[in-house]
Amino acid sequence: QSALTQPPSASGSPGQSVTISCTGTSSDVGGYNSVSWYQHHPGKAPKLMIYDVNKRPSGVPDRFSGSKSGNTASLTVSGLQAEDEADFYCSSYAASNNFVFGTGTKVTVL
Amino acid sequence: QVQLVESGGGVVQPGGSLRLSCAASGFTFSNYGMHWVRQAPGTGLEWVALIWYDGSKKYYTESVKGRFTISRDSSKNTLYLQMNSLRAEDTAVYYCARGYSGCLDCWGQGTLVTVSS
Repeated sequence: QSALTQPPSASGSPGQSVTISCTGTSSDVGGYNSVSWYQHHPGKAPKLMIYDVNKRPSGVPDRFSGSKSGNTASLTVSGLQAEDEADFYCSSYAASNNFVFGTGTKVTVL
Repeated sequence: QVQLVESGGGVVQPGGSLRLSCAASGFTFSNYGMHWVRQAPGTGLEWVALIWYDGSKKYYTESVKGRFTISRDSSKNTLYLQMNSLRAEDTAVYYCARGYSGCLDCWGQGTLVTVSS
């Protein structure tokens, strides 16, 4: 199972929006609505930000939103804040109870 | 609150074995599937294994099949990962995470495994 493809980096100024793509295949992203996104500050536990493509867990700001079209999912962070600077990973269910993560995107707040 | 605490990491020689533990608290452990995920130095997250809520089914990424075994003890609220025939490429921070609706909704802080002679 190959990793999902994400851009290595994304950036924006405070208050701006940034969108991260996550490209897979019809065997993972395109085949299931079990796409999730995780924020990871180095040295800390990863945090679930979006699940089931576009659902936010309790406590996650509505500045974070998710979507999917075909084999590509996206995470949008609106109104960027300094604390949003982190690594972001997408993940998808990939059949037969396997899961696959994306390559990761480092978000920088300029 | 939900808490997952990994332990058991360390330095091991190639070909050696190690058992990781993940102590769970703050939720009904026996109601949830549990995962292991790892992150090798300078790389991204990699899903390693999943065990169903009742331990009846276990799934692994291809690279660890036959070498790693995931298990759980609901009487101790603890998840395990037995790692045998370790290779240099298994060097990583290993995280345990709770499974929920096709995602991993709570994670531990991780434990570092270094495979080196």
